This record gives sequence, C-alpha cells and structure tokens, in this order.
Amino acid sequence: DQQVKQNSPSLSVQEGRISILNCDYTNSMFDYFLWYKKYPAEGPTFLISISSIKDKNEDGRFTVFLNKSAKHLSLHIVPSQPGDSAVYFCAASTRGGSNYKLTFGKGTLLTVNP
Amino acid sequence: EAGVTQFPSHSVIEKGQTVTLRCDPISGHDNLYWYRRVMGKEIKFLLHFVKESKQDESGMPNNRFLAERTGGTYSTLKVQPAELEDSGVYFCASEGPRGGRPKAFFGQGTRLTVV
Repeated sequence: DQQVKQNSPSLSVQEGRISILNCDYTNSMFDYFLWYKKYPAEGPTFLISISSIKDKNEDGRFTVFLNKSAKHLSLHIVPSQPGDSAVYFCAASTRGGSNYKLTFGKGTLLTVNP
Repeated sequence: EAGVTQFPSHSVIEKGQTVTLRCDPISGHDNLYWYRRVMGKEIKFLLHFVKESKQDESGMPNNRFLAERTGGTYSTLKVQPAELEDSGVYFCASEGPRGGRPKAFFGQGTRLTVV
C-alpha cells in the first residue's frame, strides 16, 4: 500500500512557465515532507522541505505548498528552466520516531522544453 | 566536503553469486540509510544505522541481505545468494545529528543487475 503517491508519471512544460508537481499521502503521522530531484545515473538531490506545521515554504524559484486537510502537497517551479528537467520525488518522514526514514513516491519526470 | 560515495557504480552478477556494495557517508554523519529502487517503482527504505548500530531494518527484503557498519564509518550491503528480483539501484544516504529538519544526502547509487 503506497503511502506517498505521485499520480502523474510525467509532466512537460515550456521554458519560462510554471511547473506544478503534485503529491498525495495517506499517513497522517507524516510530519515532514521533502522534494528530491534526480538526474539520470545520479542519486536524488535534496531540493526543498516543509514541516507539517507550515503551509508554504519558498526557496528561490521553488515553492512547496502543503494542504494537511487534503493530505496533499505540491511543488511549484517558476520560471521553469531546461536544467530543471529531471525526475522529482516527493518524500515524507515521521520526525517523532526513532529515525528519519523517508517514504517516497514513484516520481514525476519533468521535461522543460526550450 | 566530499559527498556520499558508493562503490561499485554498476555490478552485473549471475543468479546465486554474492555481491557486496559499499557506502562511504559524509564524514561526521552518524545516520546512514540504505534504499533500493526497483525499475519503475518508488525508492524504498531498507535499513538505518546510527553509528554502528542497526536502528531499523524493517525494510530488508529477506535474510539474503546483510548490512554492516563496522566502526560506525562506511557500510556494506551484501546480497548472498543473489536472485533475479534483487536487480535494481541501491542508494545509500547519510544524515547529520538529530534535532534539525530531515535532510538526507544520497550517493549516486549502485546499479545491480542479476542475470
């Protein structure tokens, strides 16, 4: 049973436009959410995170929004650049536990066209 | 600062053979994780070390997998004997002390192919 779901396997956007990647979760015990970016043949790279006590976190072109009541989060990239083309993984963690193991979604392949 | 390094980057072995993967975490990171991604699926947690102690090995598929972290530095993950379904990319991640927000740093992964 997948606790973190990314229902869109792929997304294609035009350079300069906004990219919106979505993620849903089922486990209400998750209290930290992270986005990782992954290029081919590389490991996931941390992008941005958000605590469950917040509803928005911004870092440059990247903003993550959290809707706890809907158990939904989204990553906004604006403006999108060709170098943003990668697989984006949504991940969740329970900080109150004994470890920060991450539960990942299947990823969304973002393609930004020049 | 050196990142998380994994060796080898690729390994092709025959079913029934043994393979050992190695992970060198970021210096000073007590927390070390192993994850695996089978083709097309999500990245799944395997186990977690704090220094040399196993904190959580709930994600280990079966007893053909053995992870160690002697001395609390590098870690190895041995698969013996390997089966076809063990194929995938094995990621190692490390993380600094507790108290901050979770932010694991991943290595580039080891792509294991069992034929």
